[in-house]
Amino acid sequence: DGGITQSPKYLFRKEGQNVTLSCEQNLNHDAMYWYRQDPGQGLRLIYYSQIVNDFQKGDIAEGYSVSREKKESFPLTVTSAQKNPTAFYLCASTDRPATNEKLFFGSGTQLSVL
Amino acid sequence: LAKTTQPISMDSYEGQEVNITCSHNNIATNDYITWYQQFPSQGPRFIIQGYKTKVTNEVASLFIPADRKSSTLSLPRVSLSDTAVYYCLVGDDFSGGYNKLIFGAGTRLAVHP
Repeated sequence: DGGITQSPKYLFRKEGQNVTLSCEQNLNHDAMYWYRQDPGQGLRLIYYSQIVNDFQKGDIAEGYSVSREKKESFPLTVTSAQKNPTAFYLCASTDRPATNEKLFFGSGTQLSVL
Repeated sequence: LAKTTQPISMDSYEGQEVNITCSHNNIATNDYITWYQQFPSQGPRFIIQGYKTKVTNEVASLFIPADRKSSTLSLPRVSLSDTAVYYCLVGDDFSGGYNKLIFGAGTRLAVHP
């Protein structure tokens, strides 16, 4: 089955630690996105990438970093500079972002601070 | 500047038709309007997409007026399982050739017995 896989489902971070959230897709989509969702809130865009080796900051990129070395992979690192990382993180992809074509989402990673 | 505006919450009862309207005054000429449904602790799920007039699928209808500055998601005969958050999405302004796909705050629909 084609789709987007996020791992792990739950992740705990110690103070001062960097953690990496995985996002893999086998849909052959060019564009990938990372969103953050706080309890009871909407989705906020962290980073997005529309081609390999290129990515752009979203609205809340501070304290996060990404890479896009392969078309199917778009990992997100939550760095120690992100002081309030506890949230639900969602990865998505689409093959035609230019016209707002359908986004496919992963099942999310819940990140909590120890 | 918000791209879309939706009611924060709505209440309904089982079996009723629910209409959720989204305003998107600055929609671009080539933008589609897409609606998503999200349950707690899950990723949003695509419901329906349209460009103009009316679109219908097995779960919903989407009404878009000629000026495309708003759209209405219609859910016929809702059930308790339709309790969720519904998002209206249009593309963001192109910045350097990129479409950011920004979500609004969404509408929390509560369906009561």
